[in-house]
Amino acid sequence: QVQLQESGPGLVRPSETLSLTCSISAQSLSTGYQWAWIRQSPGKGLEWIGSTYRSDYTYYNPSFESRVTMSIDTSRQYFSLRLKSVTAADSAVYYCAVGFGSFDSWGQGTLVTVSS
Amino acid sequence: EIVLTQSPATLSLSPGDSATLSCGASQNVERNFVAWYQQRPGLAPRLLIYDASRRPTNSPDRFSGSGSGTDFTLSISRLEPEDFAVYYCQQYGSPPFTFGPGTRVDMK
Repeated sequence: QVQLQESGPGLVRPSETLSLTCSISAQSLSTGYQWAWIRQSPGKGLEWIGSTYRSDYTYYNPSFESRVTMSIDTSRQYFSLRLKSVTAADSAVYYCAVGFGSFDSWGQGTLVTVSS
Repeated sequence: EIVLTQSPATLSLSPGDSATLSCGASQNVERNFVAWYQQRPGLAPRLLIYDASRRPTNSPDRFSGSGSGTDFTLSISRLEPEDFAVYYCQQYGSPPFTFGPGTRVDMK
């Protein structure tokens, strides 16, 4: 069973960069899983941000593509999200999740508020 | 992008009842790659069904999924108190992966 835990600042200033990490335990990163970031806000529901696959292939939701970077650190067992130029619309609970397209393991989520 | 709609928005039922939740897609979902999740307040979504009708080992057998193409259904037989929650469908047949707006199952 994969255990996931998100971490990062809960408050980000507008126009700055949101940075989150997801630490993984109990399973190697090289299993063929997709490693994804998903967010949830009252206004937009659940939104898939992007997935990293096989450590060398990443694909993003076009809605975020110009602002987002995801990466995996296979040696340290974590993967990360960077979302730049944030606005209040980026305030949400951010989840990391893994699976083969459907997501069978999720972190508990971390609330990020964008505010000055 | 495939847009998913869910109906009804809210379902008011009693423990022991059966529930039928619908998910419609704006275009065919490739290989019927549809999943269903349950979300209880304050918790992350939990996978109930994948590939439209397959159940993970930790998903109770009172949950079943069906459908193909653009129309998918989650059925819940014999509602337990812990089943009162919000249910989301998701398609992962073609990126960007998308989720439906959810159906809330409330206790009558």
